[in-house]
Formats: sequence, C-alpha cells, structure tokens
Amino acid sequence: QQQVKQSPQSLIVQKGGISIINCAYENTAFDYFPWYQQFPGKGPALLIAIRPDVSEKKEGRFTISFNKSAKQFSLHIMDSQPGDSATYFCAASGNNNDMRFGAGTRLTVKP
Amino acid sequence: SAVISQKPSRDICQRGTSLTIQCQVDSQVTMMFWYRQQPGQSLTLIATANQGSEATYESGFVIDKFPISRPNLTFSTLTVSNMSPEDSSIYLCSVEEQMSGNTIYFGEGSWLTVV
Repeated sequence: QQQVKQSPQSLIVQKGGISIINCAYENTAFDYFPWYQQFPGKGPALLIAIRPDVSEKKEGRFTISFNKSAKQFSLHIMDSQPGDSATYFCAASGNNNDMRFGAGTRLTVKP
Repeated sequence: SAVISQKPSRDICQRGTSLTIQCQVDSQVTMMFWYRQQPGQSLTLIATANQGSEATYESGFVIDKFPISRPNLTFSTLTVSNMSPEDSSIYLCSVEEQMSGNTIYFGEGSWLTVV
C-alpha cells in the first residue's frame, strides 16, 4: 500500500527553527495531499492540505509546498515550538478517496 | 468538521476472541473507512465501508477476519475476529466530509491489546 514515501523518519529541531518534512508520491491520479499531526494516544488530526492546482498553501506557521512535475510535496513548520512535537504523516488520495499514508516523521522540538 | 466517536477507546482482549468496534458520526457521510495503525507505524487502509453493500477490502485484509457493517450513513462497525497478539493495534475509523471539500477526518481510535 506504501505509495507515498516520507522523509526523514525522525527530526530534531531547536525552538524557533524551521522543520521540513518531505514526501514523494507515485500515482499521478492523486489529487489531494493532506498532512496529519498525531500526538501520543490520539488519532491523526488534519493539519493542512493542498490540491495540485496550487504550488503553495500557508496556514499560520504551517506551509505546504507542492511540485507536481516532481511528484513531491513538503511541510514547513516555521518558528517551531515544543508543542509541535508530534508525529506527522503526509498522505495522498485520488478519485476513489482511499487515502495512502507516508511512514511518518517523529518531530522533536527542543526548548 | 465531522465529529467521530469510536467505542471502545481501549480494550485488552484474550487470544482467540473477537471484538466489535463501533464508529458513530454526527452527520451523514458517504464515505467511511477503517484503518489499522500498528505500534509506531503508519496507517494502513483495511477497507471502505459501503452503505447497503459489502465492504471493499484492501489487499491483505479479508472479510472473514475483519467483517464490517454499514447499516446507515452515520454508523459502521469493524469486527476483529479470532484475535492473536499480532492484531494488537490502533483501529481508526475515518470519514470523508463533502461539506468541507471532501476532507477526511479520523476518530480517536480504538486501542486493542491482545494477550
């Protein structure tokens, strides 16, 4: 099922720094690319999402960059905070709406 | 966004038994899905729960092991049958909400430990 490749597996960033997580997909039929944030003991929560008609979407400190030709997209967390420490999953879905997830990135933001 | 409630939230089960997980949504949704998340792993789609017809299973998952019901547009169940320790996972219900641009939301999950 792994049609979305995510890196890095883990990431340590200092408070105030920029966290960058990358994903690549294979299926050109994918047209919806969300990022989910998951805290321990909780279900995944939608953070931000993008469709291929735009190359960038920003919501507060979170930005998705999308490169359709390269089939890659990334999440940037500006001014990273200790409260951002969580596991982040990229995902992709197409017309049939079944979502495929990346392997996840465990982010630790050090104070 | 859709509010998704799952029951049980957590359970410890004996090997060889079966457990049914319930998923209730506060609004009518067309698409409902069941995912599994093994400890420290990503999410894997088990099946799409179809209202009024048999669920559509992903490769590696079969109806005998994971029977699914979808009696209406707000409710679904997933049964994990004849459990073994390898079934210890988080089982997540998710829905597609058309009102928010086909966004997919997840419940909090049902954490099953098989002993």
